[in-house]
Formats: sequence, structure tokens, C-alpha cells
Amino acid sequence: KAGVTQTPRYLIKTRGQQVTLSCSPISGHRSVSWYQQTPGQGLQFLFEYFSETQRNKGNFPGRFSGRQFSNSRSEMNVSTLELGDSALYLCASSPESGAILNEQFFGPGTRLTVL
Amino acid sequence: KQEVTQIPAALSVPEGENLVLNCSFTDSAIYNLQWFRQDPGKGLTSLLLIQSSQREQTSGRLNASLDKSSGRSTLYIAASQPGDSATYLCAVRGTGGFKTIFGAGTRLFVKA
Repeated sequence: KAGVTQTPRYLIKTRGQQVTLSCSPISGHRSVSWYQQTPGQGLQFLFEYFSETQRNKGNFPGRFSGRQFSNSRSEMNVSTLELGDSALYLCASSPESGAILNEQFFGPGTRLTVL
Repeated sequence: KQEVTQIPAALSVPEGENLVLNCSFTDSAIYNLQWFRQDPGKGLTSLLLIQSSQREQTSGRLNASLDKSSGRSTLYIAASQPGDSATYLCAVRGTGGFKTIFGAGTRLFVKA
């Protein structure tokens, strides 16, 4: 079974631009979560989607948004990029049947650099 | 608000030594706890998942325990090897929502 894939792997943007990151979960997994990892703040939860619905959201500004498609693939968007948005963005998928919360499997991440 | 702390922040041991990594959390209302390994610049690799009703899980040289009432988990690594060098993270999933809160990690270096 293929693992979680994320595209692109690397991105360089300038302040004020917007960016879209993509995540394809493991086949059959219905939940996708997004995380931001920085040296100063560590790993922080952004949001989680299950069956195309956002189930929970972390403490990030509205510039960070996401969505999930019917095939469970997910995208996250960051608008009006700031220097502080430079980070490794990680996506995780898990099987999750209804209320059963399972093991999370992570992708390799997208390294975003904002200049 | 859930807070997850990992001690020590960094650890250097000679090859072959047994070692224990610690993870503590402030809110015992958890659904599960998961241990991960992260190599520099890479994603996270799942090591062990412990459901809230379980006390421990084992995989090869790894053993993780969970004491929900005291808000603690330990990851025991037997006979450490240089290939075990990485950052180890614990993550707690609460019952009040579906957020996963991570600790800051323990950076492990195993000397050959």
C-alpha cells in the first residue's frame, strides 16, 4: 500500500503570495490532518478533515484554510504569506471509522520557504 | 488545555545501552497516545500507538507504557543502535475533540 504523499516537496514563495499544498492519504483512510512544524514552536495542529468535513481546527489565523475532496485527498491553502509561515507542513492520514480514532501515518512534508 | 512535555530534551548514549524516554501530559482525558520517530528534515514514522484502555504496547526492541491517571508514558528502547539516532516525539489525542498535541521531542544520539 502506498504511503501518504504530499506535493510539492519544496516551495519558495514571497511575502503576500498565496500557496496551495496537496496531500493524498493512504488508500481507504478517511481522515486527514495537517500540522505545521517550526524550530521554535514544534509541531502544531492546523486542522483535521473527515469525510469532507472539518472536524477540528487549531489556533491559526484565517489565512490558513483547507478542504477535503470526496476521494479523501486534501489541500491546504495559505493566503497573504508572511515570513513566519516558513515551515515544514506535514499531513497525516488515519483510517477512522466514525468515532474510532486510529493510528496516524505521516507524509514526508512540504518545506515552504517565504522570502 | 492539554500540554505535553518530554524529558530529557536531548540524550547521548553509547551503543548497546537500554534507555527510557519520558512523556507527560496534563489532561488525562485522552483517546490515545502515539510515539513517533523523526529523522532530520523528514516526516514522522509511527512507532507505537497505545489506546487509553491499554497499559503498554511492544514492537521489537521498543516498549511503550501508559499510565493515564498520572499523565505519563514512557518509551523504552532496548540495546540501542546508532540507527536509533533521531528525534522521538509523543503525541496525545484528547477525547474533547480530535486535536493531537505533540511534545517538543527528545533528540537521541547513539554513539558507535
